[in-house]
Amino acid sequence: GENVEQHPSTLSVQEGDSAVIKCTYSDSASNYFPWYKQELGKGPQLIIDIRSNVGEKKDQRIAVTLNKTAKHFSLHITETQPEDSAVYFCAAGGSNSGYALNFGKGTSLLVTP
Amino acid sequence: DGGITQSPKYLFRKEGQNVTLSCEQNLNHDAMYWYRQDPGQGLRLIYYSQIVNDFQKGDIAEGYSVSREKKESFPLTVTSAQKNPTAFYLCASSVSPAVGKLFFGSGTQLSVL
Repeated sequence: GENVEQHPSTLSVQEGDSAVIKCTYSDSASNYFPWYKQELGKGPQLIIDIRSNVGEKKDQRIAVTLNKTAKHFSLHITETQPEDSAVYFCAAGGSNSGYALNFGKGTSLLVTP
Repeated sequence: DGGITQSPKYLFRKEGQNVTLSCEQNLNHDAMYWYRQDPGQGLRLIYYSQIVNDFQKGDIAEGYSVSREKKESFPLTVTSAQKNPTAFYLCASSVSPAVGKLFFGSGTQLSVL
């Protein structure tokens, strides 16, 4: 089955700096790669996603890049703010898994003022 | 308000007891999912259902059971066979299995007395 590795497990940046979280996946049939943000005691919320026919996607301060040849994708947050502090999860899925997503173990991001 | 409702928010299980976690959605989504989250870990798939009266095992289905008698409802039973049930349980839904975008509920924290 699909195996998703996520790094780093913790990340601390100063407000205004950029943050980058990286993920790798194992199943070449995966074609959907979302990123979720989870605040304490709540369910994850989708913040951005990308499909395998696109190399990069941007939404305001958030961007995701995908390298399908190398089987890795990354989340980039620019101009970080304290409210960006949360746990971020990457995931991968495709038709061979019924589109059920396989998640990385998460990155705890702390943005300090 | 459209969304996914999980109840209860906190649940305690005694030894040898089966407990059922509720998940209801009014989004008219076809697919529903159950994930288990342990501290510092990613989300692991327990069961998923792509359509009413049909469901598939995920990576960690042992000790759990589900039913999908109605489109809106996907309850999860944690049986006494699950020896380590303490975890945060998340229910999710998506418009269809092929879309991939998951919408999560707010979770149920299950603890063993």
